Amino acid sequence: EAQVTQNPRYLITVTGKKLTVTCSQNMNHEYMSWYRQDPGLGLRQIYYSMNVEVTDKGDVPEGYKVSRKEKRNFPLILESPSPNQTSLYFCASSPIYPTSFVSQRETQYFGPGTRLLVL
Amino acid sequence: TQLLEQSPQFLSIQEGENLTVYCNSSSVFSSLQWYRQEPGEGPVLLVTVVTGGEVKKLKRLTFQFGDARKDSSLHITAAQPGDTGLYLCAGAGQGAQKLVFGQGTRLTINP
Repeated sequence: EAQVTQNPRYLITVTGKKLTVTCSQNMNHEYMSWYRQDPGLGLRQIYYSMNVEVTDKGDVPEGYKVSRKEKRNFPLILESPSPNQTSLYFCASSPIYPTSFVSQRETQYFGPGTRLLVL
Repeated sequence: TQLLEQSPQFLSIQEGENLTVYCNSSSVFSSLQWYRQEPGEGPVLLVTVVTGGEVKKLKRLTFQFGDARKDSSLHITAAQPGDTGLYLCAGAGQGAQKLVFGQGTRLTINP
């Protein structure tokens, strides 16, 4: 089954304690992305990757790091989490850049989400 | 910075009624997508519109891309409780490599 998996699904942590949220896709997609979703703000892109070892900042990258050592994995790292990073996080993947979508076959697949609470 | 404004942000109507959700911007987009998100899940793509003036239909859902490619609408005919969810529009800026999302419209269809 084609899917994007994220772990953990729920996480409660304290300020300053480093954490990693994993993301893995089994569709051999080149493009992967991390978003955060906050009430009234929609989805905002944190980082994206166009291929292995190629990453770039999205709209809200401050306080986050990513890596893309393998095509299937795209972990999100919070080196020193702060309460303003409490949010719902989604990982997504697609075969091509989302901006190149022209048909229903070229879709972006989202993971189930990770709900993070930073105390 | 490209922005997408969705309206309304919340909509609660009775089963059988029609509704329209709007997605507006001052920027031109090369394509625009509509997603639907259920509680506890990630967004799922409903449609991609690419050409100005394009209209696409998915059963009772009709999507339209504005002639100038700056806005889009989602019209639902005879809404059903199964249509309840969060609807998100997302635009692909010209030359950009990322999507910009609207704030979302939380739709509730009451039986």
